[in-house]
Amino acid sequence: GAVVSQHPSWVICKSGTSVKIECRSLDFQATTMFWYRQFPKQSLMLMATSNEGSKATYEQGVEKDKFLINHASLTLSTLTVTSAHPEDSSFYICSAPTGVLEQYFGPGTRLTVT
Amino acid sequence: SQQGEEDPQALSIQEGENATMNCSYKTSINNLQWYRQNSGRGLVHLILIRSNEREKHSGRLRVTLDTSKKSSSLLITASRAADTASYFCATPSGNTPLVFGKGTRLSVIA
Repeated sequence: GAVVSQHPSWVICKSGTSVKIECRSLDFQATTMFWYRQFPKQSLMLMATSNEGSKATYEQGVEKDKFLINHASLTLSTLTVTSAHPEDSSFYICSAPTGVLEQYFGPGTRLTVT
Repeated sequence: SQQGEEDPQALSIQEGENATMNCSYKTSINNLQWYRQNSGRGLVHLILIRSNEREKHSGRLRVTLDTSKKSSSLLITASRAADTASYFCATPSGNTPLVFGKGTRLSVIA
């Protein structure tokens, strides 16, 4: 089946630094990828839609200048958390639709900002 | 995007028992998918049932779909401690993002 990978799986960084998270579709091309965030004991919340060849679209309340998204190719999207703060500590998950019927999720990246 | 709502919110059973959780949705669908999420981990795709199917099996999983009631159920038979996780349903449509409910938190006690 389709596979989506994320790197890194976990990262600890200091407040004020930037962190880049990669999402890759390993055996299919994805013109669109989605980035979600999940706080402890809560559901996944959509942050933004990453579009290959165009700008990402952000959900209401998500700062586009803080969460930079680059859909570099048909198999890679990156999310950069700039000037990270402790409140950005969360679990970040990407997904990629394979077409009409299915989406596959990456394993997630746990970000801890100290 | 479409949202599924899972019920119950939490379920605790003994190992070996069956676990049933339900999902309701609001609009017409192409298919419905069930996912599992272990604590602090990513989502694992469990099973997909298409809108023209009524029941589907995969190992110890049994999914039913009632489009007239806009509902689906996931049955896990002979549960194991390793089944302890949160379970979500989702109804993807094309290249739209999935919207998740709060899920059902299943605890299987050994």
